[in-house]
Amino acid sequence: DSGVTQTPKHLITATGQRVTLRCSPRSGDLSVYWYQQSLDQGLQFLIQYYNGEERAKGNILERFSAQQFPDLHSELNLSSLELGDSALYFCASSPPGLNEKLFFGSGTQLSVL
Amino acid sequence: DQQVKQNSPSLSVQEGRISILNCDYTNSMFDYFLWYKKYPAEGPTFLISISSIKDKNEDGRFTVFLNKSAKHLSLHIVPSQPGDSAVYFCAGVAQGAQKLVFGQGTRLTINP
Repeated sequence: DSGVTQTPKHLITATGQRVTLRCSPRSGDLSVYWYQQSLDQGLQFLIQYYNGEERAKGNILERFSAQQFPDLHSELNLSSLELGDSALYFCASSPPGLNEKLFFGSGTQLSVL
Repeated sequence: DQQVKQNSPSLSVQEGRISILNCDYTNSMFDYFLWYKKYPAEGPTFLISISSIKDKNEDGRFTVFLNKSAKHLSLHIVPSQPGDSAVYFCAGVAQGAQKLVFGQGTRLTINP
């Protein structure tokens, strides 16, 4: 158990819909990262938050947004969903001062039908 | 732009033998490299890392080698055990950057 909690584990929805993925980092970790893993793709970095502020952005679509709340949990919002958004979405957290070592949650499997 | 590439999608090795997983990168700014291991239905877990100032780092059965001139790193597992069957991701990170850049992963299967 990495200590990073992601909910829900599975999500099935239809095209055009909007979903919210939730992540609780490890106790004491201030950074939260979101990654997307599509079929045959590696882990694609989406976005990072540090103590409530956006710190880095990857190839995140404009239809996607995220935030980190004062209690440090984070949400990833995906809207106007398309078939190609079907993927495994991982959240990770890292201890202060150790950005290289990420602790990953078990992921949310999103299926867009 | 695939900055980190793992060209072998899969690898099959006999139990007890050596497993060698390879990774190439293009970003010269990377100064730290990591290997992660992923079992089905779980998130990736950190395995071993290496700084760009070193060419080898060893931790038990796992050794990572870095060849900076070739922009290549490899993970050696010896002896390989059935529990090593998993997907292995290599990743690079540049100093000051906030994100790890991952390869596509290699599925390792250890056969009894």
